[in-house]
Amino acid sequence: QVQLQESGPGLVKPSETLSLTCSFSGGPISSYYWSWIRQPPGKGLEWIGYIYYSGITDYNPSLKSRVTISVDTSKNQFSLKLSSVTAADTAVYYCGGGYDFKFFQYWGQGSLVTVSS
Amino acid sequence: QSVLTQPPSASGTPGQRVTISCSGSSSNIGSNYVYWYQQLPGTAPKLLIYRNDQRPSGVPDRFSGSKSGTSASLAISGLRSEDEADYYCATWDDSLSVVFGGGTKLTVL
Repeated sequence: QVQLQESGPGLVKPSETLSLTCSFSGGPISSYYWSWIRQPPGKGLEWIGYIYYSGITDYNPSLKSRVTISVDTSKNQFSLKLSSVTAADTAVYYCGGGYDFKFFQYWGQGSLVTVSS
Repeated sequence: QSVLTQPPSASGTPGQRVTISCSGSSSNIGSNYVYWYQQLPGTAPKLLIYRNDQRPSGVPDRFSGSKSGTSASLAISGLRSEDEADYYCATWDDSLSVVFGGGTKLTVL
């Protein structure tokens, strides 16, 4: 049974870097593509990007200049860094995974990150 | 403004059949598979349909997906109260991004 769990600060100051980690259990990390998706309060879903266990990444062009996704296969974890955040980055951040980077079979429960001073 | 267009709301009574549409373009739905997600209130989304019309294990056959040209649809038959949720379509866009519809809030009357 694949399980994902996000962790990280719930409050980030404007202009700083948002950092989240997703811990994975239930199988080899190399079997899947790992993604981050976010959802502003009361709004729809936005794909942020993905990473494969080998380190290959791809990011949403609208966020590419600010996003870094990395993987630590020894810890079965992957991480998100989003720099220069503003209030518009306030959202529930989900980690997700699947056999294809284009869809998400597995989801974490989500982590609300608020950008505020 | 979402790349994929969904109606903001839909409704039906128990037992009815409801369909939710998702409209895109040749650069996304027209040339890629469509996926559907169900998001129950206060929870993470759940994969409902993959590759246009395939159901993951555990998803009831009351849910079905279809695609034609640059549009796709999700149909729910035998509507139940527990189907009340937000539904999102998604696909790959040739601009190199996963794109989602704006979501449809389904109300079971």
